[in-house]
Amino acid sequence: KQEVTQIPAALSVPEGENLVLNCSFTDSAIYNLQWFRQDPGKGLTSLLLIQSSQREQTSGRLNASLDKSSGRSTLYIAASQPGDSATYLCAVPFGANNLFFGTGTRLTVIP
Amino acid sequence: GAVVSQHPSRVICKSGTSVKIECRSLDFQATTMFWYRQFPKQSLMLMATSNEGSKATYEQGVEKDKFLINHASLTLSTLTVTSAHPEDSSFYICSASRPGGTHEQYFGPGTRLTVT
Repeated sequence: KQEVTQIPAALSVPEGENLVLNCSFTDSAIYNLQWFRQDPGKGLTSLLLIQSSQREQTSGRLNASLDKSSGRSTLYIAASQPGDSATYLCAVPFGANNLFFGTGTRLTVIP
Repeated sequence: GAVVSQHPSRVICKSGTSVKIECRSLDFQATTMFWYRQFPKQSLMLMATSNEGSKATYEQGVEKDKFLINHASLTLSTLTVTSAHPEDSSFYICSASRPGGTHEQYFGPGTRLTVT
């Protein structure tokens, strides 16, 4: 059974700092991994999707890496801003299309 | 783009009544839609997978007679919570995926259900 863990559960950083969020999964037989952002009381916004054949994906200040063999992914956020404050979730597929979500990291960027 | 909408965004109902939540893919056809539930400070848990024109597949522990799912068209899936109880109060989120492609799921904005 796939288990997805995110560390840390919560993180507070001052504005402008670079930071890394971690995601680990137990079953490395995945074909992609997604990072999402969730604002309080809101739905999910897809940030990055990394295919199993890729090592990393970049979008603006965000960079996600994937190491299937070690069952890890990281989300790097450069020059953090208060607007980045949200919960960040990673998810991996299981079965045909279902997604298995991690418990999330709640990020607070302090102005 | 790939936009998914949900309606309503918030609903309050009395215990024992039924509530219907709609999930629509606005600019693409979704052969598969998913329904998730999220309790406060917890992550999303998959409830069921809905395929257009066929019966939904429910995850273990989810009562199919209580959470009725209908996927009548390629752009609409509905979740009906029947005989709602306060413990059904939660945040319900749907997602949709395109046929083929990257298996990426596109999420709706969620529906906050409160049962009094």
